[in-house]
Amino acid sequence: GAVVSQHPSRVICKSGTSVKIECRSLDFQATTMFWYRQFPKQSLMLMATSNEGSKATYEQGVEKDKFLINHASLTLSTLTVTSAHPEDSSFYICSARRGGGRSTDTQYFGPGTRLTVL
Amino acid sequence: QQQVKQSPQSLIVQKGGISIINCAYENTAFDYFPWYQQFPGKGPALLIAIRPDVSEKKEGRFTISFNKSAKQFSLHIMDSQPGDSATYFCAAMGGKLIFGQGTELSVKP
Repeated sequence: GAVVSQHPSRVICKSGTSVKIECRSLDFQATTMFWYRQFPKQSLMLMATSNEGSKATYEQGVEKDKFLINHASLTLSTLTVTSAHPEDSSFYICSARRGGGRSTDTQYFGPGTRLTVL
Repeated sequence: QQQVKQSPQSLIVQKGGISIINCAYENTAFDYFPWYQQFPGKGPALLIAIRPDVSEKKEGRFTISFNKSAKQFSLHIMDSQPGDSATYFCAAMGGKLIFGQGTELSVKP
Protein backbone atom coordinates (compact mmCIF):
# COMPACT_ATOMS: atom_id res chain seq x y z
CA GLY A 1 0.00 0.00 0.00
CA ALA A 2 0.88 3.66 -0.22
CA VAL A 3 3.11 4.98 2.55
CA VAL A 4 3.15 8.46 3.98
CA SER A 5 5.73 9.41 6.58
CA GLN A 6 5.96 12.33 8.97
CA HIS A 7 8.92 13.75 10.81
CA PRO A 8 9.32 14.28 13.66
CA SER A 9 6.88 11.93 15.37
CA ARG A 10 6.85 14.11 18.46
CA VAL A 11 8.31 17.47 19.34
CA ILE A 12 8.42 19.55 22.48
CA CYS A 13 9.25 23.22 22.15
CA LYS A 14 9.19 26.41 24.15
CA SER A 15 6.52 29.03 23.65
CA GLY A 16 7.47 31.51 20.95
CA THR A 17 9.61 29.18 18.88
CA SER A 18 8.82 27.80 15.43
CA VAL A 19 8.46 24.14 14.58
CA LYS A 20 8.62 22.49 11.16
CA ILE A 21 6.87 19.20 10.41
CA GLU A 22 7.64 17.25 7.24
CA CYS A 23 5.24 15.02 5.35
CA ARG A 24 6.52 12.69 2.64
CA SER A 25 4.81 10.31 0.26
CA LEU A 26 7.35 7.51 0.02
CA ASP A 27 6.18 5.42 -2.90
CA PHE A 28 3.95 7.67 -4.95
CA GLN A 29 3.73 11.21 -6.18
CA ALA A 30 1.13 13.40 -4.55
CA THR A 31 0.05 16.58 -6.27
CA THR A 32 -2.21 17.28 -3.33
CA MET A 33 -1.49 16.92 0.36
CA PHE A 34 -3.61 17.85 3.33
CA TRP A 35 -2.88 18.94 6.89
CA TYR A 36 -5.17 18.06 9.75
CA ARG A 37 -5.19 18.81 13.45
CA GLN A 38 -6.66 16.48 16.03
CA PHE A 39 -7.26 17.29 19.68
CA PRO A 40 -7.59 14.47 22.24
CA LYS A 41 -10.75 12.41 21.86
CA GLN A 42 -11.84 14.54 18.91
CA SER A 43 -12.13 14.14 15.17
CA LEU A 44 -9.73 15.30 12.50
CA MET A 45 -10.13 18.90 11.44
CA LEU A 46 -8.80 19.93 8.06
CA MET A 47 -6.44 22.89 8.32
CA ALA A 48 -5.32 23.35 4.75
CA THR A 49 -4.98 21.79 1.33
CA SER A 50 -1.60 21.99 -0.31
CA ASN A 51 -1.00 21.64 -4.03
CA GLU A 52 2.47 21.16 -5.42
CA GLY A 53 3.93 24.36 -6.72
CA SER A 54 1.11 26.63 -5.59
CA LYS A 55 -0.12 28.36 -2.48
CA ALA A 56 -2.01 26.35 0.09
CA THR A 57 -5.73 26.80 0.61
CA TYR A 58 -6.58 27.30 4.26
CA GLU A 59 -9.83 26.42 5.97
CA GLN A 60 -11.86 29.11 7.62
CA GLY A 61 -10.43 30.09 10.99
CA VAL A 62 -6.92 28.79 10.33
CA GLU A 63 -4.28 31.51 10.47
CA LYS A 64 -2.18 31.49 7.31
CA ASP A 65 0.67 33.42 8.90
CA LYS A 66 0.83 31.08 11.83
CA PHE A 67 0.67 27.79 9.96
CA LEU A 68 2.98 28.07 6.96
CA ILE A 69 2.63 25.33 4.39
CA ASN A 70 5.09 24.60 1.61
CA HIS A 71 4.61 21.90 -1.03
CA ALA A 72 7.78 22.24 -3.02
CA SER A 73 7.86 18.79 -4.60
CA LEU A 74 5.50 15.96 -5.50
CA THR A 75 6.61 13.98 -2.45
CA LEU A 76 7.15 16.59 0.25
CA SER A 77 4.98 19.07 2.08
CA THR A 78 5.99 20.95 5.21
CA LEU A 79 3.96 22.62 7.93
CA THR A 80 5.69 25.27 10.03
CA VAL A 81 4.00 26.39 13.22
CA THR A 82 5.37 29.87 13.81
CA SER A 83 5.64 31.45 17.24
CA ALA A 84 4.03 28.42 18.82
CA HIS A 85 1.95 28.79 21.96
CA PRO A 86 0.56 26.18 24.37
CA GLU A 87 -2.83 26.27 22.64
CA ASP A 88 -1.11 25.02 19.47
CA SER A 89 -0.28 21.78 21.24
CA SER A 90 -2.04 19.07 19.27
CA PHE A 91 -1.65 16.03 17.04
CA TYR A 92 -0.88 17.14 13.50
CA ILE A 93 -1.57 14.65 10.72
CA CYS A 94 -0.87 14.97 7.04
CA SER A 95 -2.36 13.01 4.20
CA ALA A 96 -1.44 12.60 0.57
CA ARG A 97 -3.82 11.94 -2.27
CA ARG A 98 -2.78 9.23 -4.64
CA GLY A 99 -4.23 8.99 -8.10
CA GLY A 100 -5.04 11.06 -11.12
CA GLY A 101 -5.98 14.17 -9.23
CA ARG A 102 -9.68 13.48 -8.71
CA SER A 103 -11.14 14.48 -5.37
CA THR A 104 -12.30 10.88 -4.81
CA ASP A 105 -8.82 9.43 -5.14
CA THR A 106 -7.71 7.69 -1.98
CA GLN A 107 -6.06 9.72 0.72
CA TYR A 108 -3.34 8.04 2.72
CA PHE A 109 -2.51 9.41 6.13
CA GLY A 110 0.80 9.84 7.87
CA PRO A 111 1.45 8.59 11.40
CA GLY A 112 1.03 12.04 12.92
CA THR A 113 3.23 14.44 14.87
CA ARG A 114 2.56 15.18 18.51
CA LEU A 115 3.41 18.82 19.21
CA THR A 116 3.72 19.98 22.81
CA VAL A 117 4.38 23.66 23.44
CA LEU A 118 5.58 24.49 26.93
CA GLN B 1 -24.94 20.46 5.27
CA GLN B 2 -21.26 19.66 5.37
CA GLN B 3 -21.58 17.61 8.55
CA VAL B 4 -21.33 13.88 8.93
CA LYS B 5 -23.00 12.63 12.10
CA GLN B 6 -21.61 9.46 13.62
CA SER B 7 -22.97 7.25 16.38
CA PRO B 8 -22.47 5.83 18.88
CA GLN B 9 -19.66 7.79 20.50
CA SER B 10 -18.41 4.64 22.20
CA LEU B 11 -19.17 0.97 21.86
CA ILE B 12 -18.34 -2.10 23.90
CA VAL B 13 -18.66 -5.48 22.22
CA GLN B 14 -17.82 -8.99 23.34
CA LYS B 15 -15.25 -10.94 21.37
CA GLY B 16 -16.94 -12.67 18.48
CA GLY B 17 -19.82 -10.22 18.39
CA ILE B 18 -20.86 -7.76 15.68
CA SER B 19 -19.86 -4.11 15.99
CA ILE B 20 -22.12 -1.64 14.19
CA ILE B 21 -21.31 2.04 13.70
CA ASN B 22 -23.67 4.39 11.92
CA CYS B 23 -23.22 7.62 10.01
CA ALA B 24 -25.62 10.07 8.42
CA TYR B 25 -25.08 12.95 6.05
CA GLU B 26 -27.09 15.75 4.45
CA ASN B 27 -25.12 16.80 1.40
CA THR B 28 -26.21 14.75 -1.61
CA ALA B 29 -23.11 15.92 -3.48
CA PHE B 30 -20.92 13.61 -1.37
CA ASP B 31 -19.67 10.89 -3.69
CA TYR B 32 -17.22 8.78 -1.74
CA PHE B 33 -17.58 7.34 1.76
CA PRO B 34 -14.48 5.87 3.44
CA TRP B 35 -14.06 4.43 6.90
CA TYR B 36 -10.83 4.91 8.83
CA GLN B 37 -9.41 3.05 11.81
CA GLN B 38 -7.17 4.90 14.23
CA PHE B 39 -5.13 3.49 17.08
CA PRO B 40 -3.95 5.77 19.91
CA GLY B 41 -1.05 7.97 18.87
CA LYS B 42 -1.24 6.86 15.24
CA GLY B 43 -2.62 8.31 12.06
CA PRO B 44 -5.89 6.99 10.63
CA ALA B 45 -5.69 4.05 8.24
CA LEU B 46 -8.16 3.44 5.43
CA LEU B 47 -10.28 0.43 6.25
CA ILE B 48 -12.89 0.22 3.52
CA ALA B 49 -14.72 2.65 1.26
CA ILE B 50 -17.87 2.75 -0.84
CA ARG B 51 -19.33 4.88 -3.62
CA PRO B 52 -23.04 5.82 -3.68
CA ASP B 53 -23.90 3.62 -6.65
CA VAL B 54 -23.33 0.52 -4.51
CA SER B 55 -25.49 -0.56 -1.56
CA GLU B 56 -23.02 -2.86 0.13
CA LYS B 57 -19.32 -3.62 0.10
CA LYS B 58 -17.60 -6.38 1.99
CA GLU B 59 -13.91 -6.87 2.68
CA GLY B 60 -13.11 -9.70 5.03
CA ARG B 61 -14.86 -9.09 8.35
CA PHE B 62 -15.73 -5.49 7.43
CA THR B 63 -18.90 -4.53 5.58
CA ILE B 64 -20.26 -1.13 4.60
CA SER B 65 -23.99 -0.84 4.09
CA PHE B 66 -25.10 2.24 2.19
CA ASN B 67 -28.64 3.64 2.00
CA LYS B 68 -28.65 6.47 -0.51
CA SER B 69 -32.29 7.45 -0.03
CA ALA B 70 -31.88 7.70 3.73
CA LYS B 71 -28.46 9.32 3.39
CA GLN B 72 -27.03 6.86 5.86
CA PHE B 73 -24.19 4.38 5.86
CA SER B 74 -22.84 1.99 8.42
CA LEU B 75 -19.83 -0.16 9.20
CA HIS B 76 -20.31 -3.71 10.41
CA ILE B 77 -17.41 -5.59 11.95
CA MET B 78 -18.18 -9.29 12.12
CA ASP B 79 -16.54 -11.62 14.63
CA SER B 80 -15.07 -8.62 16.47
CA GLN B 81 -11.66 -9.21 18.04
CA PRO B 82 -9.77 -7.42 20.84
CA GLY B 83 -7.32 -6.23 18.17
CA ASP B 84 -10.18 -4.30 16.56
CA SER B 85 -10.30 -2.03 19.62
CA ALA B 86 -9.64 1.41 18.15
CA THR B 87 -11.40 4.60 17.16
CA TYR B 88 -13.33 4.43 13.91
CA PHE B 89 -14.17 7.43 11.76
CA CYS B 90 -16.58 7.58 8.90
CA ALA B 91 -16.00 10.26 6.31
CA ALA B 92 -17.62 11.69 3.22
CA MET B 93 -15.96 13.29 0.25
CA GLY B 94 -17.37 16.41 -1.34
CA GLY B 95 -14.28 18.09 -2.66
CA LYS B 96 -12.62 17.47 0.69
CA LEU B 97 -12.98 14.79 3.34
CA ILE B 98 -15.49 15.54 6.07
CA PHE B 99 -15.03 13.31 9.11
CA GLY B 100 -17.60 12.04 11.56
CA GLN B 101 -17.04 12.52 15.27
CA GLY B 102 -15.53 9.07 15.80
CA THR B 103 -16.53 5.92 17.67
CA GLU B 104 -14.31 4.41 20.30
CA LEU B 105 -14.71 0.64 20.02
CA SER B 106 -13.65 -1.68 22.80
CA VAL B 107 -13.84 -5.41 22.20
CA LYS B 108 -13.77 -7.39 25.43
CA PRO B 109 -12.11 -10.84 25.46
